[in-house]
This record gives sequence, C-alpha cells and structure tokens, in this order.
Amino acid sequence: DTEVTQTPKHLVMGMTNKKSLKCEQHMGHRAMYWYKQKAKKPPELMFVYSYEKLSINESVPSRFSPECPNSSLLNLHLHALQPEDSALYLCASSQGTGGLYEQYFGPGTRLTVT
Amino acid sequence: QKEVEQNSGPLSVPEGAIASLNCTYSDRVSQSFFWYRQYSGKSPELIMSIYSNGDKEDGRFTAQLNKASQYVSLLIRDSQPSDSATYLCAVGTPGAGSYQLTFGKGTKLSVIP
Repeated sequence: DTEVTQTPKHLVMGMTNKKSLKCEQHMGHRAMYWYKQKAKKPPELMFVYSYEKLSINESVPSRFSPECPNSSLLNLHLHALQPEDSALYLCASSQGTGGLYEQYFGPGTRLTVT
Repeated sequence: QKEVEQNSGPLSVPEGAIASLNCTYSDRVSQSFFWYRQYSGKSPELIMSIYSNGDKEDGRFTAQLNKASQYVSLLIRDSQPSDSATYLCAVGTPGAGSYQLTFGKGTKLSVIP
C-alpha cells in the first residue's frame, strides 16, 4: 500500500487566520516532505523531515511552520499567509532520504488565501 | 545548479500510438530517475523508477536510461485518452545535504481519440 493521506482537501482562509494542514502515512517511511505547487509548475520543495527531525528548510517564510509529531504524521501550520501563497500543498513520503528513494505523494490540499 | 529539462509540449498523439517523452539532466552523478503522471488538479502519481542503464518495462510503460548521454525517456505504448496528463521527470542526486528530487517542468501529453 502506497497511500499518503492529507486533510483537508480544500481550505479557504483569510490573511489573519491560523490553520493547519495534516498528512499521514502508514508505510513505515522515515522521510516526509512538504511541497508547494503552483499551476503549470513542478512541485517546489519546502521542508524535509528525516527520522522525525527537520533536515531541510528551503528558505520558506516563517508564516509556514512544519511539525512532525511522530514518524507517521506531518503537519504544516499556517499563519498570516498572503494571497500569493494560494497553491496546491503536497505531502510526500519515502523510505529514506538522499534523493534515491521513490517519493509517494498525497492527494494534496488546495489552499486559497483571501 | 542541477537542471532537468523536458519539452513542455503539448505532445499530441493519436489513440493507439506510441508516446515518447524525453528528459535530460545536468548532474553526471545523478543516480535515480522517476516519472510521475499528474492529471489536471490532482497530485503527482509515481509510474516508473529506473536506476540502471537500459530499459525497464511495466505494462504499457517503458523507461529508458542512458547515463552517458544524461538522458531518460518514457515510452507509452498503445496510448489511451486516459493517458492524457502532464508527465514530470524527476532526478535524484546523492551527496551531502542532497535530500530532494529535482523536477523538470513537465510535458503535457494529449492522446486524441
């Protein structure tokens, strides 16, 4: 089973709101990722967690705050977002890191910031 | 700067034909190569991975890798309208601090009934 789940599927929030995106995998993968994807663009890496520790933060603004409560869960906390942050947010997981392992994506959360 | 290049398309093929999607990459030490299919409004779906030179077949899909030419391709035989999607090539490169894949911009494929 190569399933990664994400909630919610859609989210509309104002610029002053605080919300969270959730991601879960039960494949025993030790690496989890957050990506942002704008229309007609490839996914853009935001954060990498390896063995529940933040490994990479690709210069993402502090209004995005990741959290990895355990090896199966990944959250992305959102606060004071801008309209340009509207995008598809994708969670992915892989057996390990290093760019060698297959990454499996969740269905994504479509975020609209008003 | 790692680069992955794909023709943006659109690539149009008739139903039943072979669709050929191409990808080149810049970093010679790259070791893992992936093809993802992405339908409009959906998330990327992994369809093929290849690590060694040569061909790898899975059903109607064949991935081809030539590390000397830094070239990877995806062939789709007996193309179906349901294959119409954007195909993303992704390349993994090992090394200190290298945790991520580098994605190409994708090729949009249209299969005409």
